[in-house]
Amino acid sequence: DAMVIQNPRYQVTQFGKPVTLSCSQTLNHNVMYWYQQKSSQAPKLLFHYYDKDFNNEADTPDNFQSRRPNTSFCFLDIRSPGLGDAAMYLCATSMGIMNTEAFFGQGTRLTVV
Amino acid sequence: QKEVEQDPGPLSVPEGAIVSLNCTYSNSAFQYFMWYRQYSRKGPELLMYTYSSGNKEDGRFTAQVDKSSKYISLFIRDSQPSDSATYLCAMTPSARQLTFGSGTQLTVLP
Repeated sequence: DAMVIQNPRYQVTQFGKPVTLSCSQTLNHNVMYWYQQKSSQAPKLLFHYYDKDFNNEADTPDNFQSRRPNTSFCFLDIRSPGLGDAAMYLCATSMGIMNTEAFFGQGTRLTVV
Repeated sequence: QKEVEQDPGPLSVPEGAIVSLNCTYSNSAFQYFMWYRQYSRKGPELLMYTYSSGNKEDGRFTAQVDKSSKYISLFIRDSQPSDSATYLCAMTPSARQLTFGSGTQLTVLP
């Protein structure tokens, strides 16, 4: 059974049109992460929530925002997608901040047209 | 210089071969080392996790960490076509976020 579920698997959006990606988890983990992965590159951490505490990476553009309304759900909002934001977006969870066992979702592949 | 360097491949081997995948790193604070397997168009899944230097074996997979050389390896014995995937190394100091390598694409030919 899937434990970290991302919807949709594929998302096409127009240049500049706001888009929201969603992630849900059944593991009851405290920490939820959003990563951006471009083709043949390492996943790049955008931000994470430890419970309700939001932690933004220093180099994450302001265009990217996140919401975590409860333990199970976390959303990635891209306010004005540019062509350079086309990528696979990965959600992950871990029990604690040590992150030694992070569980990833299947990812959402975002295309910007 | 990237904190974690990983040969991107692609690497092709015949079925049954022993595969060696490697990463080097520059941050001596890294203590926890992981290998993830990522199939095409899927999210990464954790394969192996080791703490500090040493070896860890799990079935056909062996992870090695040499902190003195800042070098980690993943060995796959008796490789199978189902092992064809991208393998990502990842590491972290205590209580910090993961730093990933860029991944090595492996194809095991039947």
